[in-house]
Amino acid sequence: DAKTTQPPSMDCAEGRAANLPCNHSTISGNEYVYWYRQIHSQGPQYIIHGLKNNETNEMASLIITEDRKSSTLILPHATLRDTAVYYCIVRSYSGNTPLVFGKGTRLSVIA
Amino acid sequence: DGGITQSPKYLFRKEGQNVTLSCEQNLNHDAMYWYRQDPGQGLRLIYYSQIVNDFQKGDIAEGYSVSREKKESFPLTVTSAQKNPTAFYLCASSPRQGQSPLHFGNGTRLTVT
Repeated sequence: DAKTTQPPSMDCAEGRAANLPCNHSTISGNEYVYWYRQIHSQGPQYIIHGLKNNETNEMASLIITEDRKSSTLILPHATLRDTAVYYCIVRSYSGNTPLVFGKGTRLSVIA
Repeated sequence: DGGITQSPKYLFRKEGQNVTLSCEQNLNHDAMYWYRQDPGQGLRLIYYSQIVNDFQKGDIAEGYSVSREKKESFPLTVTSAQKNPTAFYLCASSPRQGQSPLHFGNGTRLTVT
């Protein structure tokens, strides 16, 4: 079973920040938080990952709480092309273990 | 460009026939994975391979088989024993060590009638 909990759906106005929450209260010390997104009928696309510090790249920012039990993915200026299903996944860094996907959050960006 | 190629994008078969889905990667990744996705659902792991000539069952391996004879190739056979084979199949790869993310192909949509 997936070890994360996400809301099933969210809406965001175009141009505004999209904040996608994820709960991972049972995360262990050697597990990273990964975010992927899947646009309809395509393969999932990697967005960002982190261990305990906040991370930022050209796509998004990842904010991880101090106790590591939850995180938020931030898309700073959402566009219509950001409409997708977003998956939050925890994964051990000790090897190439498979990702376990939940149902994710369906983000709809509205014009 | 490096990446993962799944072919074909759409595949149609009659019930009772085995069918093999292709997955090729030129990323020099050691590990490869097969996932299945049903409408409105997340991805479920079928099989994965961490190194050539070795593979492990995932959560829903029944009715499927794989081989890993070459590092760059990880074909998936959907056998007639798979009761509900119609689905979207996704292949992925990753380096063997460390925290590197998985890279996914764009999937094969299999329809069995």
